[in-house]
Amino acid sequence: RKEVEQDPGPFNVPEGATVAFNCTYSNSASQSFFWYRQDCRKEPKLLMSVYSSGNEDGRFTAQVDKSSKYISLFIRDSQPSDSATYLCVVNEGSGNTGKLIFGQGTTLQVKP
Amino acid sequence: DADVTQTPRNRITKTGKRIMLECSQTKGHDRMYWYRQDPGLGLRLIYYSFDVKDINKGEISDGYSVSRQAQAKFSLSLESAIPNQTALYFCATSDLADNQETQYFGPGTRLLVL
Repeated sequence: RKEVEQDPGPFNVPEGATVAFNCTYSNSASQSFFWYRQDCRKEPKLLMSVYSSGNEDGRFTAQVDKSSKYISLFIRDSQPSDSATYLCVVNEGSGNTGKLIFGQGTTLQVKP
Repeated sequence: DADVTQTPRNRITKTGKRIMLECSQTKGHDRMYWYRQDPGLGLRLIYYSFDVKDINKGEISDGYSVSRQAQAKFSLSLESAIPNQTALYFCATSDLADNQETQYFGPGTRLLVL
């Protein structure tokens, strides 16, 4: 079983749709959670950290439920420029280990 | 200029050859990492270093070695390349002072082993 699991997609949605990505992780000691964005053939870049209370950044909202080890990302009013692969990322354990575990990514295609 | 650079960006080599991938950073970060990315598998950690005298194996270190020559440089070597080492390789850095441990990636090196 993978430590971080995501539905690989692809998700094909029309412009303006709301998109929801989900991710599960296995290590109950993990305390830091992130969503990274990766454009085709490019390096991953941090999209947003995920805080226990949930957080929002413009059209993006991220949440984590530690009791069920479940992380989510919502994109409102999706745009063609949102087309990319979204990586769910979890710190390996508690503390400042610096080791991140990456999900395989979920691919999103937003059509105009 | 990019904060994290990798050379070469693309490399084709033959089975059995020794090759080195270089990574340099101008971010002043102590921590550096090497990952490989394969379709359907996500990024997997090969080696990481928290300072010049620190080297640690990651999830898939077999067949690889690293050298941390200076804070700004972290190189990855394939002593005898094999075809299943064909992948996209990323270097990354992070700041010890960054409690959220954001990692900053280089542009990647595409390696093809024939």
